[in-house]
Amino acid sequence: AQKVTQAQTEISVVEKEDVTLDCVYETRDTTYYLFWYKQPPSGELVFLIRRNSFDEQNEISGRYSWNFQKSTSSFNFTITASQVVDSAVYFCALSDGSSNTGKLIFGQGTTLQVKP
Amino acid sequence: DTGVSQNPRHKITKRGQNVTFRCDPISEHNRLYWYRQTLGQGPEFLTYFQNEAQLEKSRLLSDRFSAERPKGSFSTLEIQRTEQGDSAMYLCASSLGGTANEKLFFGSGTQLSVL
Repeated sequence: AQKVTQAQTEISVVEKEDVTLDCVYETRDTTYYLFWYKQPPSGELVFLIRRNSFDEQNEISGRYSWNFQKSTSSFNFTITASQVVDSAVYFCALSDGSSNTGKLIFGQGTTLQVKP
Repeated sequence: DTGVSQNPRHKITKRGQNVTFRCDPISEHNRLYWYRQTLGQGPEFLTYFQNEAQLEKSRLLSDRFSAERPKGSFSTLEIQRTEQGDSAMYLCASSLGGTANEKLFFGSGTQLSVL
């Protein structure tokens, strides 16, 4: 069975601190995709990144970076120099590579609070 | 293109009543998804459409739930004889789909409270 675990329920940091959100996944598929979505207080989930199981290169986009390690089944997300606008709930998600759909298995989410 | 639109934003109903939610996807998107999110949890997949065809339903979708997407445009999700356990945020998402790595665009959701 597929599963995504985000062990950190809530994280609170002070602005400009770096913060890492952890994500561990379980799947028996050899082909799969991993995602991060952000849910601000307005409610809509906003896509941040997707990764396929064959691409373990780390990715950096501005202050955001992602570390994918198949050996530990982890896909962690780091925000560098956090800002108040980063405050939101962040979800890691997994999709079945064989289903060819956007049906995602989401983790429980990590609430990030960035204080000024 | 104003994104995915969901109405109403909030719905309060009494147990046993029927409710209907509407989702207007991004116009050129052929796939439409319904998810349910309870407090403190991640969204859970309910069902999805490709154009007007409903291709998959989760076992979470009991017989009291029905979804439609007439003409492959907007979609409605109806819950009959609501129960307190139905209280949740109902999220709609759309995509220009066909692969497992498709990017979903979510609406702001409909928050249902069953009293």
